[in-house]
Amino acid sequence: SYVLTQPPSVSVAPGQTARITCGGNNIGSKSVHWYQQKPGQAPVLVVYDDSDRPSGIPERFSGSNSGNTATLTISRVEAGDEADYYCQVWDSSSDPQVVFGGGTKLTVL
Amino acid sequence: EVQLVESGGGLVQPGGSLRLSCAASGFTFSSYWMSWVRQAPGKGLEWVANIKQDGSEKYYVDSVKGRFTISRDNAKNSLYLQMNSLRAEDTAVYYCARSSIAAAPFDYWGQGTLVTVSS
Repeated sequence: SYVLTQPPSVSVAPGQTARITCGGNNIGSKSVHWYQQKPGQAPVLVVYDDSDRPSGIPERFSGSNSGNTATLTISRVEAGDEADYYCQVWDSSSDPQVVFGGGTKLTVL
Repeated sequence: EVQLVESGGGLVQPGGSLRLSCAASGFTFSSYWMSWVRQAPGKGLEWVANIKQDGSEKYYVDSVKGRFTISRDNAKNSLYLQMNSLRAEDTAVYYCARSSIAAAPFDYWGQGTLVTVSS
């Protein structure tokens, strides 16, 4: 089955740029979606189809995807961005599955 | 306003059964794939199952195959998850979520219902 690998944690100072990676075999050929989850809340979609933003999501959130790595970039990080972030793809193999990465805890120092 | 409201969670003994429901409103339920996603305490998100608009396609994560069954009733705008032979490792918050197609992102999620499997 398809595996997505994320770093367990990323730390960044306010105002700086955070980059959260999501590794997978030839992930560049898939559409990657990213979710933000704060404690006690349901996940919220922040980037879809590699680099598109849903309405209401700040332009500070952006994404890219190429080769074996997809990246969520958060510019001008704010304290309110502290959360867990998950990448997700649809693996349309012989046994189709939705696959989530293990999640990355973003800490704002 | 799109709303997804899960219910049916609770405490169940190992080997027992539980049926979760998700009531949808504010959108045309029959036009969307629906999924169940779970999150064990302190752990990450794990997709459980999804179902096509007309129920003709269903997919499951390997760990629940043969034990869980996803279904829907478009007339009642409702999604279900029948969970049998429950194990301690099935303990989690269960969310329902919608997507326009199987490969699309989950753009709306419910608030979740907690299932605890313990003796």
